[in-house]
Amino acid sequence: GAGVSQSPRYKVAKRGQDVALRCDPISGHVSLFWYQQALGQGPEFLTYFQNEAQLDKSGLPSDRFFAERPEGSVSTLKIQRTQQEDSAVYLCASSSRLAGGTDTQYFGPGTRLTVL
Amino acid sequence: GDSVTQMEGPVTLSEEAFLTINCTYTATGYPSLFWYVQYPGEGLQLLLKATKADDKGSNKGFEATYRKETTSFHLEKGSVQVSDSAVYFCALANSGGSNYKLTFGKGTLLTVNP
Repeated sequence: GAGVSQSPRYKVAKRGQDVALRCDPISGHVSLFWYQQALGQGPEFLTYFQNEAQLDKSGLPSDRFFAERPEGSVSTLKIQRTQQEDSAVYLCASSSRLAGGTDTQYFGPGTRLTVL
Repeated sequence: GDSVTQMEGPVTLSEEAFLTINCTYTATGYPSLFWYVQYPGEGLQLLLKATKADDKGSNKGFEATYRKETTSFHLEKGSVQVSDSAVYFCALANSGGSNYKLTFGKGTLLTVNP
């Protein structure tokens, strides 16, 4: 079946521009996660949704970052007034149940954001 | 806070060589431990996991044993193949209220030559 998909796969933005990154989770998956992966680093948690509710946004690095999942399926991560330090790969993951430590998170291929 | 430390790469091996990638962790509580793999051009995939002390996770010839006494979860494979070339990430999910958060190591690039 179809996995997690993300679009665009690559995005180049000029500093100060706003960007929107889309995630299509596996159909029926309740939980959705966003991670940020800087070059040469492991992914770092940004935010977690359970259906349409954003239950944890503690990893969002600043108030320029905003995520939503209005109908409990597709999610969008928006970054306002992009800065060079926002350059990274943004990963989306989903899991089938209410997330717990042993649940498998299925990852998308990521969106590579480059801010010039 | 929680953290994962894994051996730095890159690791370069010949086909059929033995592989070990070391991983140690720091966590409060009783975390679950994971190895994820990222093949070139693809997303992260779960390779194996272990949820309690002394559990052994295994998949595709890879193994890792959850050692609470040494806070380690080293990845091993007896005979690597060219197709195993990828980046390997060790990760944990803690047992507390935020047990959905994965904390990753920095990743280890493995290259297997024919």
